[in-house]
Amino acid sequence: DIVITQSPLSLPVTPGEPASISCRSSQSLLHNNGFNYLDWYLQKPGQSPQLLIYLGSSRASGVSGRFRGSGSGTDFTLEINRVEAEDVGVYYCVQTLQTLSFTFGPGTKVHI
Amino acid sequence: EVQLVQSGAEVKKPGESLKISCKGSGYSFTNYWIGWVRQRPGKGLEWMGIVYPGDSDAKYSPSFQGQVTISGDRSISAAYLQWSSLKASDTAMYYCARQRGNGLGLDYWGRGTLVTVSS
Repeated sequence: DIVITQSPLSLPVTPGEPASISCRSSQSLLHNNGFNYLDWYLQKPGQSPQLLIYLGSSRASGVSGRFRGSGSGTDFTLEINRVEAEDVGVYYCVQTLQTLSFTFGPGTKVHI
Repeated sequence: EVQLVQSGAEVKKPGESLKISCKGSGYSFTNYWIGWVRQRPGKGLEWMGIVYPGDSDAKYSPSFQGQVTISGDRSISAAYLQWSSLKASDTAMYYCARQRGNGLGLDYWGRGTLVTVSS
């Protein structure tokens, strides 16, 4: 089974400053088609999760350009350019390489 | 507008059965997989499994195989998650979410169904 880890697990941020979260997979998430099967989600307090990034670096519809996903293989990063107060919550990376059987990381709590 | 509407909160006793639902609207429900995700109080998200409402084909996470049943009813655009015998450890929020396509993410989520199991 693929194991997903994230760091840090808690990230204090300052509005207007950048922030970065790391995600690591126990196996490569690079598919033969050249895409990395890694999503990022944000769960704001009291809300359902929302999709931010899919296939490692593609922003979902309506997601601010301040969010950027990067990385390949086993190491991935989510960067937030100029954090805003509304960005607080728990960020999860999720592997989707194993068809229809996803694995969530432990989550990174971003707080001000 | 795409919507996934989940059934209301439930309070059950250990050993009881339960079936919760997720009804889709605003899109062709039978053409997208619907996944289920568990979130225990104060904890992270856990993948449970997924169903294709078009033919009720279901896949389970190894951690949940045999513990729950995931199904779909294309005639009423609904997906279901059910237990035959609940345990206190099943107390959690359960989310359904639509998979946009292979590798394209879970793009729409329900608001969740809170299940409380207590004697």
